[in-house]
Amino acid sequence: SQKIEQNSEALNIQEGKTATLTCNYTNYSPAYLQWYRQDPGRGPVFLLLIRENEKEKRKERLKVTFDTTLKQSLFHITASQPADSATYLCARPLRAGSYQLTFGKGTKLSVIP
Amino acid sequence: EPEVTQTPSHQVTQMGQEVILRCVPISNHLYFYWYRQILGQKVEFLVSFYNNEISEKSEIFDDQFSVERPDGSNFTLKIRSTKLEDSAMYFCASTSSLSSQPQHFGDGTRLSIL
Repeated sequence: SQKIEQNSEALNIQEGKTATLTCNYTNYSPAYLQWYRQDPGRGPVFLLLIRENEKEKRKERLKVTFDTTLKQSLFHITASQPADSATYLCARPLRAGSYQLTFGKGTKLSVIP
Repeated sequence: EPEVTQTPSHQVTQMGQEVILRCVPISNHLYFYWYRQILGQKVEFLVSFYNNEISEKSEIFDDQFSVERPDGSNFTLKIRSTKLEDSAMYFCASTSSLSSQPQHFGDGTRLSIL
């Protein structure tokens, strides 16, 4: 079955530094990966989507990469702020054309002032 | 910005009782989903719904579960006879026509089974 793993359960980082979160997947490369943010007691909020044929995608202070050789996506937040503290989820479609997303367990990011 | 709304925010139910969770997806979206998240665990897919029928479902979505779009705006998840292990956050989501489009989630219903 297709799996998504986010190896770090928690990451603490100093304000102003760049946070880097890792997402690894198994089996075949998905057509795309999505990254979501989840705050306590809230639903996931979509941040970025990167397709298989894209190496990098940016949105303001966020950057995501997709390496099909390593079967890995990296999610970066530059100039991190305490307001960036949340759990970040990586997700992939279960199979080609599927609307069913498989989520990683998430990495809880804490940005320390 | 349009959003997915879910009611109630918290539901407490006795084991064995039926429960209905309600969702209003974004109005021009065509695909609707239910996910659940047990405390401290990952978000898990339950079911997707398109054109008034189930398009995909997971192993979790057994005969105790059903979904319905009773009118043009609501989307419901029914659990017929609740078990203790059904206690979780239940999230509704919706998306437009393409599978790669982001899924828009509601803030969930916390279901507590006593």
